[in-house]
Amino acid sequence: AQKVTQVQTEISVVEKEDVTLDCVYETRDTTYYLFWYKQPPSGELVFLIRRNSFDEQNEISGRYSWNFQKSTSSFNFTITASQVVDSAVYFCALSEASNAGNMLTFGGGTRLMVKP
Amino acid sequence: ETGVTQSPTHLIKTRGQQVTLRCSSQSGHNTVSWYQQALGQGPQFIFQYYREEENGRGNFPPRFSGLQFPNYSSELNVNALELDDSALYLCASSLGARLNTEAFFGQGTRLTVV
Repeated sequence: AQKVTQVQTEISVVEKEDVTLDCVYETRDTTYYLFWYKQPPSGELVFLIRRNSFDEQNEISGRYSWNFQKSTSSFNFTITASQVVDSAVYFCALSEASNAGNMLTFGGGTRLMVKP
Repeated sequence: ETGVTQSPTHLIKTRGQQVTLRCSSQSGHNTVSWYQQALGQGPQFIFQYYREEENGRGNFPPRFSGLQFPNYSSELNVNALELDDSALYLCASSLGARLNTEAFFGQGTRLTVV
């Protein structure tokens, strides 16, 4: 079974719509971190957020918000009032205490297309 | 920009050849990780180096090898290239290898094996 699952491979929205990207993870560790990265066409992965397994408080940063629910092993990402510049591939990732260092296990990614 | 630079940006090799990819980590970072990202997929962890020692390895064959130098820059070497090795190779540097350490990624090297 995949450790990090992003069931939406592609989402298309019109500018100013809200959009939620889903992420479900699987781990046996009690200590772990969850991340979201953005990958624009240039290829570089841009860090968006990090969350540890002991902090379920939701977070908001401008138009971005994250909903972490341990009960459903989900870490969903919402963009409010989407903009064309949000178009990219978004990856959810997991870092587990049982793995080497800060090794990341990525999901398959969700390609977000925001149309004007 | 993250300060992580990779070279070359693009590369075309023939099956069976060997390739070396390079990564210059962000200033002060002593940990480098390499990832392989096939087209349309998420990155997969190859290995990590912490202070010049291999600190962990993913599910990749021994023909994938690496080095980290005293200045913490790194190389990824792939021998006996196969068509399936065609991918974007990403390098990430971090200050330490603790679980919660943020990794900063370079723009990658796109390798095409023909």
